[in-house]
Amino acid sequence: SQTIHQWPATLVQPVGSPLSLECTVEGTSNPNLYWYRQAAGRGLQLLFYSVGIGQISSEVPQNLSASRPQDRQFILSSKKLLLSDSGFYLCAWSAGGSNQPQHFGDGTRLSIL
Amino acid sequence: GESVGLHLPTLSVQEGDNSIINCAYSNSASDYFIWYKQESGKGPQFIIDIRSNMDKRQGQRVTVLLNKTVKHLSLQIAATQPGDSAVYFCAGRDSNYQLIWGAGTKLIIKP
Repeated sequence: SQTIHQWPATLVQPVGSPLSLECTVEGTSNPNLYWYRQAAGRGLQLLFYSVGIGQISSEVPQNLSASRPQDRQFILSSKKLLLSDSGFYLCAWSAGGSNQPQHFGDGTRLSIL
Repeated sequence: GESVGLHLPTLSVQEGDNSIINCAYSNSASDYFIWYKQESGKGPQFIIDIRSNMDKRQGQRVTVLLNKTVKHLSLQIAATQPGDSAVYFCAGRDSNYQLIWGAGTKLIIKP
């Protein structure tokens, strides 16, 4: 069966520091991968998605970037964190093709001080 | 722009009763919808999905109804249990083939 792993579960970082959040998927090949941010008590905002290695689409302009160095690895990064980057970050995968549900990891709670 | 929204931020239901969570969407071209359950501190968990060529789909204790005429869908949970307490999100696929998410309905189970 397919599984998705995100780490770390929680992270506290100072303003201006770099960021690297990692997500890996097991049990499937060539998945679509997604990074979302969720503000407290709100729905999810899509940040990035990828349909293949090295292919990244950005949905909103921001201080973050994403990379997909391997088929089942998706990384969310920043060179310099801002206070506004605080939030709950979720990685998800779906099978290729249309009308496929997305499956989520358990998220990273990022606090910027 | 396109939107998906739930009707109520909070829904309180007696344990054992049926729960109905409602959602509206704006894009009549949306052809795929999903319901998720999110427990505190966890990622959303897929419950059930429905394509626009269907009006109803059933799973284990859950039913999703889609009314394309009024652009409305609902999630019905039969015999609600304490473990059903969570925030429920509906999401619809937009014209760019990405999911647009509602803000969520918190389901509270009264003993």
